Amino acid sequence: GAVVSQHPSWVICKSGTSVKIECRSLDFQATTMFWYRQFPKKSLMLMATSNEGSKATYEQGVEKDKFLINHASLTLSTLTVTSAHPEDSSFYICSAPTSYGEQFFGPGTRLTVL
Amino acid sequence: AQSVTQPDIHITVSEGASLELRCNYSYGATPYLFWYVQSPGQGLQLLLKYFSGDTLVQGIKGFEAEFKRSQSSFNLRKPSVHWSDAAEYFCAVGALSNQAGTALIFGKGTTLSVSS
Repeated sequence: GAVVSQHPSWVICKSGTSVKIECRSLDFQATTMFWYRQFPKKSLMLMATSNEGSKATYEQGVEKDKFLINHASLTLSTLTVTSAHPEDSSFYICSAPTSYGEQFFGPGTRLTVL
Repeated sequence: AQSVTQPDIHITVSEGASLELRCNYSYGATPYLFWYVQSPGQGLQLLLKYFSGDTLVQGIKGFEAEFKRSQSSFNLRKPSVHWSDAAEYFCAVGALSNQAGTALIFGKGTTLSVSS
């Protein structure tokens, strides 16, 4: 199957700093990628849809100025958590659909904000 | 509204016993159904998926699931549970698109504990 990678897998940062998370489709192109957030012992909640060549679409309640998404190419989407605070600590997972629509998930990035 | 319901938050099963995890969905379009497993601190691993055809689908690790349209259900089963099956299980629904694809809607998950 197709492979989606995320980098970094784990990041610890100080409150107030910004953190960038990368999501790459390694062997296929994805015009759309999805970013999910998962709190401990909770389900995955869709944050936003990343669109190559256009602005991301954010779900209700997600601050777009807080979570900046850039779909730089057909294989790369980045999520930047700006001015991170402890409440932003979470597990962030991306997914990318192939051209026939099947979703592949990245391994996730654990963000801890001190 | 589109949603996925996993009625059981936590299930404990004895090793070697059979398992059934329930999943019900509400979705406007033809559903594309998934079961994922997640170990602590890890990403999602796809167990199986259903799009069309045979309503009983086989997955990895000895899991199977049955799609019942009349009941809007997609329950996951395993005839004999192993201690290594202890994890969080998520049911998800989406729509298959030939273009951009759609995001999946996840249930809240069921935590499976296996007792010896």
